[in-house]
Amino acid sequence: DSGVTQTPKHLITATGQRVTLRCSPRSGDLSVYWYQQSLDQGLQFLIQYYNGEERAKGNILERFSAQQFPDLHSELNLSSLELGDSALYFCASSRTGANVLTFGAGSRLTVL
Amino acid sequence: AQRVTQPEKLLSVFKGAPVELKCNYSYSGSPELFWYVQYSRQRLQLLLRHISRESIKGFTADLNKGETSFHLKKPFAQEEDSAMYYCALSHSGNTPLVFGKGTRLSVIA
Repeated sequence: DSGVTQTPKHLITATGQRVTLRCSPRSGDLSVYWYQQSLDQGLQFLIQYYNGEERAKGNILERFSAQQFPDLHSELNLSSLELGDSALYFCASSRTGANVLTFGAGSRLTVL
Repeated sequence: AQRVTQPEKLLSVFKGAPVELKCNYSYSGSPELFWYVQYSRQRLQLLLRHISRESIKGFTADLNKGETSFHLKKPFAQEEDSAMYYCALSHSGNTPLVFGKGTRLSVIA
C-alpha cells in the first residue's frame, strides 16, 4: 500500500504519560501534515514538515512536538497528556505542499 | 485570521432531491477553496478544488468572493453521497489548509 500509514490505530493511556504517533507518507510525497480532531471540533492544523524541515506551525501545544526523519516518516510526540488531548490525530502528505492532501486513517488517542 | 464556517452539522435530504452544503469563509485575500469528503469507513479524501472548476461525482462548487462562500451542490442526491463533508481554505498553494467543522450529509432512500 503506497498510501499514508499511521500507527498505532488506537492508543489508550493515562494522564501525565507520553506517547508517540507515527506516520509514513505516501511514496514520493515530501510534505507531512499533522491535524487533531477533537469531539465537536473540526480538523485543527498542528504542524507541517517538508523534506525534513518544519514548514508551518499551527495550534500546537508546547507539550507536543514533531519531527520528520530523513526517510520522510514523521513522528508526533505528545507529553504530559491531559484528558483534553483525547482526539483523533490525522497525518496527511502531499507531493509539493499544494494542499492536495492524502490522509491516513488516523490514530485515536484516549487519555484516561 | 482565516476561518471556515459550515453552518449545518447535519443535512438530511431524500434521494433524488437537490443538495447544497454551505461553506462560508473569512479571508481578505484570494483564497484557494477545497471540499474534502469522508465516506463511512474510508479515509478523508479530496472531492474538488475551486481552481479546477470541475464536477466530481456530480458535485460542483462555485467560489463567490462577494458572498465569501463556496457552497457544494448536486442536483440529484444519491444514497452513496452520504458522508461527512469538509470545506477547507488555504491562502496560497503552500499554506496548510484550514478546515471547517464539517457537515454530515444523510441521503434518505
